[in-house]
Amino acid sequence: SQTIHQWPATLVQPVGSPLSLECTVEGTSNPNLYWYRQAAGRGLQLLFYSVGIGQISSEVPQNLSASRPQDRQFILSSKKLLLSDSGFYLCAWRSTGRTEAFFGQGTRLTVV
Amino acid sequence: GENVEQHPSTLSVQEGDSAVIKCTYSDSASNYFPWYKQELGKRPQLIIDIRSNVGEKKDQRIAVTLNKTAKHFSLHITETQPEDSAVYFCAASIHGGSQGNLIFGKGTKLSVKP
Repeated sequence: SQTIHQWPATLVQPVGSPLSLECTVEGTSNPNLYWYRQAAGRGLQLLFYSVGIGQISSEVPQNLSASRPQDRQFILSSKKLLLSDSGFYLCAWRSTGRTEAFFGQGTRLTVV
Repeated sequence: GENVEQHPSTLSVQEGDSAVIKCTYSDSASNYFPWYKQELGKRPQLIIDIRSNVGEKKDQRIAVTLNKTAKHFSLHITETQPEDSAVYFCAASIHGGSQGNLIFGKGTKLSVKP
């Protein structure tokens, strides 16, 4: 069966520090991968999605970047965090042949 | 790109009443419309979905309707129960080929009062 791992679960980082959140998927190949941010009281904002290794599409210009170094690995990064980067970050995957998206447990990021 | 609007942002109903959440989308190429439920502190999970070749789909107490011409779709929950309390998200997507983005609405916080 397929599983998705996202870590860490919580993170407190100072303003100006770098960020690296990792997401890996097991049990499938060539998945579509997504990074979403959920700010308090707001919806799921699509940040990046990837349909293959090295293929990244950005939905919203921001202080963040994403990379897909391996087929089932998706990384969200920042060189210098801003206070406004605080939020709940969710990784998700779905097969190109199927419709349902599956979410990771999420990372609650607090920038102080 | 696709834009999904969702209303209302909050909804409070009495146990046993019905709840309706409505969404509109902008991209006429979208052909897949899922609904996700997110309980407090948990990840969103799919509860029902509909494809553009279908006008209505039902699964026990929940149903979804789609009007392609008007580009809107709705979630209907009947006989609501306290455990239905959660945030519900609609989404729109183009399914098929290599296109992969999945755009969500801003969510509706449903509270079911016993």
